[in-house]
Amino acid sequence: DIVMTQSPDSLALSLGERATINCKSSQSVLYGSNNKNYLAWYQQKAGQPPNLLIYWASTRVSGVPDRFSGNGSGTDFTLTINSLQAEDVAVYYCQQYYNTRTFGQGTKLEIK
Amino acid sequence: EVHLVETGGGLVKPGGSLRLSCAASGFTFSDAWVTWVRQAPGRGLEWVGHIKGKTDAGTTDYAAPVKGRFSISRDDSKNTVYLQMKSLKTEDTAVYYCTTDVITMVRGIMSYFDFWGQGTLVSVSS
Repeated sequence: DIVMTQSPDSLALSLGERATINCKSSQSVLYGSNNKNYLAWYQQKAGQPPNLLIYWASTRVSGVPDRFSGNGSGTDFTLTINSLQAEDVAVYYCQQYYNTRTFGQGTKLEIK
Repeated sequence: EVHLVETGGGLVKPGGSLRLSCAASGFTFSDAWVTWVRQAPGRGLEWVGHIKGKTDAGTTDYAAPVKGRFSISRDDSKNTVYLQMKSLKTEDTAVYYCTTDVITMVRGIMSYFDFWGQGTLVSVSS
């Protein structure tokens, strides 16, 4: 199985600041035949299922604010949230879908 | 519109069994891969296993902690996937979600979509 490791486990920032969450996979999730990274980012709020934000490591789902961005390739990825808003408080997960679907342990984002 | 609805959760004693159902609508179910993901209280998301669609022979795969105890099956005539859980342990206590994902190619653009149910709570306790 591909193991996903996120850092940090938690993050407390002020409104308007930038949040950066890292994700590392135990093996590459870059599919050579189409040059796509099979890496997604999710946001999960309390009592709700996860909500897909970004796929192919950097493609935002329609309707997701452009303050959310993803980048990276191979085994190392980053989710950046610019200009933090109160509604961004949630737990964020990376997920690889290269081989089955496995998740990072989550990063809890709070407002200071 | 895609809908997934999980049912069958509840309280069960250690060593007991439970069968969860995931009823689907709004898409071509027989081709869909359906995945079970669980989330223990206050913990992260854990892949439990999946069942592939008809064109991929409906094969299954399971995470190590549940292999040999859990089994996934599907009834395409009912648009339903099942998660049979046996020899349950306290550490199996979690919200169990069913989810399906799909990769599409439209006008040369490859996209990824996924859909989740609201989950059903399984509590394993004496």
